[in-house]
Amino acid sequence: DAGVIQSPRHEVTEMGQEVTLRCKPISGHDYLFWYRQTMMRGLELLIYFNNNVPIDDSGMPEDRFSAKMPNASFSTLKIQPSEPRDSAVYFCASSLQGSETQYFGPGTRLLVL
Amino acid sequence: AQTVTQSQPEMSVQEAETVTLSCTYDTSESDYYLFWYKQPPSRQMILVIRQEAYKQQNATENRFSVNFQKAAKSFSLKISDSQLGDAAMYFCAYKEQTSGSRLTFGEGTQLTVNP
Repeated sequence: DAGVIQSPRHEVTEMGQEVTLRCKPISGHDYLFWYRQTMMRGLELLIYFNNNVPIDDSGMPEDRFSAKMPNASFSTLKIQPSEPRDSAVYFCASSLQGSETQYFGPGTRLLVL
Repeated sequence: AQTVTQSQPEMSVQEAETVTLSCTYDTSESDYYLFWYKQPPSRQMILVIRQEAYKQQNATENRFSVNFQKAAKSFSLKISDSQLGDAAMYFCAYKEQTSGSRLTFGEGTQLTVNP
C-alpha cells in the first residue's frame, strides 16, 4: 500500500509569494496532521483534521497559514504571503482511529528567499 | 503540558555493537503512548517502535527494544547489532490516549554508526 504522499518535495520561493503544500493520506485513515520541523523549534503540530474537519489549529502560527481538507484523500497547507522564517520541512501524517500510530509522509522542504 | 526530553544530542556506536538512547517525559496521565521515530538524511520520519503505557511488557521489533519504566517516566531505545543503516536522528515522542491527539517530540539524538 502507498504511504502518505506529499508534494512538492522541495519548494523554493521568494518572500511574498503564495505557497501551497499538498498531502494525500493513507487510504482509510481518518486523521490527518500537519507538522513543521525547524532547527529552532523542532517538530511541532500545526493543525489536524478528523474526518475532513479541522479539530485543533492552535499550532497555526498566524493568519498567513491556512489548511483545508476538501475530501478524505486530499489536504492542502497554504502560506500567503510567505516569509523567510517560514522556511522549514513540513510533514503530513495520517492515522486510523484506534491505532494511534501516526505515519508520516516524506515531507516538503520549503525555502523562502 | 507534556514534555519529552532527550538528553543525548549525539551518540556513536561501532557496527555490530549495542547502543541505548535515552528519553524521559513528563505527564500527569496514566494512559498514553510512546514512540521512537527514526529520521535518516532523507528526512523521512520512520516509525521504529511503539509502547502502550498500560502494557508492562517492553516492546520489541527485531533488533530494536525499549526499556519502559513508567514510574520513572523513562523510555529508552536499545539497538542491538548496530548496522550502518541505523545511522540517523532518533526522536522520542509522547501521545495522549485520546484519539487524534498530537505527538510531542523530544529534541532528537543523532546516532553515528562507525564501521
